Formats: sequence, C-alpha cells, structure tokens
Amino acid sequence: EVRLLESGGGLVQPGGSLRLSCAASGFTFGAYAMSWVRQAPGRGPEWVSGITPSGYNTYYADSVKGRFTISRDSAENTLYLQMGGLSAEDTAIYYCAKYTAGLDGFDVWGQGTKVTVSS
Amino acid sequence: SSELTQDPAVSVALGQTVKITCQGDSLRRYYASWYRQRPGQAPVLVLYDKDNRPSGIPERFSGSRSGNTASLTIAETQAEDEADYFCNCRDSSGYHWVFGGGTRLTVL
Repeated sequence: EVRLLESGGGLVQPGGSLRLSCAASGFTFGAYAMSWVRQAPGRGPEWVSGITPSGYNTYYADSVKGRFTISRDSAENTLYLQMGGLSAEDTAIYYCAKYTAGLDGFDVWGQGTKVTVSS
Repeated sequence: SSELTQDPAVSVALGQTVKITCQGDSLRRYYASWYRQRPGQAPVLVLYDKDNRPSGIPERFSGSRSGNTASLTIAETQAEDEADYFCNCRDSSGYHWVFGGGTRLTVL
C-alpha cells in the first residue's frame, strides 16, 4: 500500500522553527518528485515547496522562500521541511504529496500534520 | 495572474448532474487536476490531465477545458460526493503550483 505519514507538527512561538518529516512507503520513493502543501483552516490548499526525485532541484512558494527548506533522504524514504521565521500566517495542516509526472498531479497525500504558530 | 478562482458553493439534487468550474490564466496553458476533500480528510485526486480518472474514481466524474476555464462534471451525483472540490495546475512559471479556493458541493 502506498502511504505517506507526516510528523513533527505542533505548537511553536512566532519566530520559531520546526522540522516536519514525511515517511514514505509502498513505492520507489527516489523515483518521484515530492511536495509539501499546506491548508489553513477554512481555506484552500496552498502549495509550499517541491523537490525533484534526485533532490537536486527545489522550488518554493514566494510566501516561504528564504524561510523554509525542503530536502529528502532516499535511503530513509523520508521527505523533510525545515521551517523557520514562523508567523501566525504559517498556521495550517501541512501535507506531503507525491507527484506523478504522467498524471501531472499529486496522486498520494499523507494525512497531514498540524502546525500552530502562537504565543 | 497565477490564481485559480472557484465558486465557493454549489448544490445539486441527488441523482442529477453538476458542473464545478475553475478559472485562471494558467489554464490556457496547463490542464487542471481536481481533488475531493471530505471533512477531516486529506485531498484525493479525482481527475487529472483534463479528463482522466485515477483508478477507483467512478466514470461519473469527467472534465473539460475551454479557454481559461476548467470544469469538473459529476453525473448521477451521489450523497457520497458531498465534499469540497479543489482545482490545481501549474502557475505561469511552470515550476510552482496553484490551487483554487475550493467549491463546497452540497447534495440535496
């Protein structure tokens, strides 16, 4: 079964940092691009960051560029998102999503991990 | 603009057909993907590449595109189709992604 399992969310103070993880199983992790997508309460999803299968190329939404870093460890089948300079606007459920080029879409999503930025 | 615009809410009678639309300049160049999200759950891909369904998605779901507008059509709507639906495609750079604000589908 193809599965993504996020972890690392929680309550963090404004200006703080947090590292999210996404454990992948059931597919050849190193063969697929991956992304982080977040969803604030009552809002539509917002693409945050993406990484190519090799990890060589990374992409960021303007809203997080310079503050967030995406990375992957294919030996551990894990995707990461290092978040810094957090503000209330970053409060959301963060999903990792598998991108399949043949579909040009995100065909597998994790259950999400909740990040709350508040003092 | 790289934004995608959706009607916030749509309702349909049980068994009838409903069309959910998504507008944006990027749709002139890229096909939309569509996702269904039930309360408390993660989004699920229901349509990609304009009119293709992942395995497990019923044939009642279909898609189309005209100009800057993509559409998701659900025929013979069932109670289980009640959910939020989001469109998604690449932005003008081709390397980033945008989502619509979502349409809440209510089945009457």
